[in-house]
Amino acid sequence: QSALTQPPSVSGSPGQSVTISCTGTSSDVGSYNRVSWYQQPPGTAPKLMTYDVSNRPSGVPDRFSGSKSGNTASLTISGLQAEDEADYYCSSHTTSSTYVFGTGTKVTVL
Amino acid sequence: EVQLMESGGGLVQPGGSLRLSCAASGFTFNTYWMHWVRQVPGKGLLWVSRLNGGGSRTDYADSVKGRFTISRDNAKNTLYLQMNSLRGEDTAVYYCARGHVTGYGFDIWGQGTMVTVSS
Repeated sequence: QSALTQPPSVSGSPGQSVTISCTGTSSDVGSYNRVSWYQQPPGTAPKLMTYDVSNRPSGVPDRFSGSKSGNTASLTISGLQAEDEADYYCSSHTTSSTYVFGTGTKVTVL
Repeated sequence: EVQLMESGGGLVQPGGSLRLSCAASGFTFNTYWMHWVRQVPGKGLLWVSRLNGGGSRTDYADSVKGRFTISRDNAKNTLYLQMNSLRGEDTAVYYCARGHVTGYGFDIWGQGTMVTVSS
């Protein structure tokens, strides 16, 4: 199972919006609405930001929103804040009953 | 407080074995799928394995199938990962994670335990 494809980095100024893409195949992202996103600041464990494409766990700001079209999922961070600077990973359940993560994207707040 | 705490990591020689543990607290352990995810320091995440709440259904990544075994003791609220025939490429931080109760995602993570495979 190959990793899902994410851009290595994205950046934006405080208050701007950034979008991270996550491209898979019809065997993972395209098959189900079972995509999740994780935030990982340096030296810490990942934190769930969205699940089932667009659902947010309690406590996650509504500035974080997920979407999907075909084999590509996206995470949009609106109103970018300094504390959003971290690595972000997407993940998808697959038709083989396994999971696959994305390659990771570093978000930089300018 | 909902918490996961891994232990059992360390240095092991190629071909050796190691068993990781993940102690859970603050939730009804036997009702959740549990997962292992690993990460080479400075690199990306890799899903390793999962086990359902009753312990009857397992799935593995191709890279560990036949070498790693996931199990749980619901009486002790503990998840395990038995790792055999270890290789250098298994060197990573190993996280246990809880599967979301109604959806597909990993909603609680431990702090991770480092496994180093080297002679």
